[in-house]
Amino acid sequence: SQTIHQWPATLVQPVGSPLSLECTVEGTSNPNLYWYRQAAGRGLQLLFYSVGIGQISSEVPQNLSASRPQDRQFILSSKKLLLSDSGFYLCAWSPGEANYGYTFGSGTRLTVV
Amino acid sequence: RKEVEQDPGPFNVPEGATVAFNCTYSNSASQSFFWYRQDCRKEPKLLMSVYSSGNEDGRFTAQLNRASQYISLLIRDSKLSDSATYLCVVNMKRGYQKVTFGTGTKLQVIP
Repeated sequence: SQTIHQWPATLVQPVGSPLSLECTVEGTSNPNLYWYRQAAGRGLQLLFYSVGIGQISSEVPQNLSASRPQDRQFILSSKKLLLSDSGFYLCAWSPGEANYGYTFGSGTRLTVV
Repeated sequence: RKEVEQDPGPFNVPEGATVAFNCTYSNSASQSFFWYRQDCRKEPKLLMSVYSSGNEDGRFTAQLNRASQYISLLIRDSKLSDSATYLCVVNMKRGYQKVTFGTGTKLQVIP
């Protein structure tokens, strides 16, 4: 069966520090991968998605970046965090087209202080 | 108009009640529809897909109305454990690589 792992679960980082969040999927190949952010009390905002190794689509301008160095690995990064980067970051995968719904990782709660 | 709209609630209902949520979508060419459930401070989890003919899973019934461009979720015999936020999700077109999430409807089931 397919599983998705995301870590860390919580993170407190100072303003201006770098960020690296990692997500891996097991039990499938060539998944579509997604990074979402959910601010407190708000809806899900799509940040990046990837349909293959090295293929990244950015949805909103921001100081975050994403990379997909391996088929089942998706990384979210920042060189310098802002206070506004605080939120609940969720990785998700789908088997190709989005007709099948997504499966989310357990999320990373990031607080920038 | 938002692509996917939901009443944020909260819907406060007593245990055992029946409750229904609607979700409207703007793109008439939308292909796939889902309901997700999100518990507080947790990740969203797929509750059920929504099929053209409507579908049922235990106490949960999902319906699609293409003419009026909305989907609905009906929960019968509400349990305390049904308390959560319910997210409507729409795939706007065939072959599209991403879906659009509604902002969710909060349900609170009261003892």
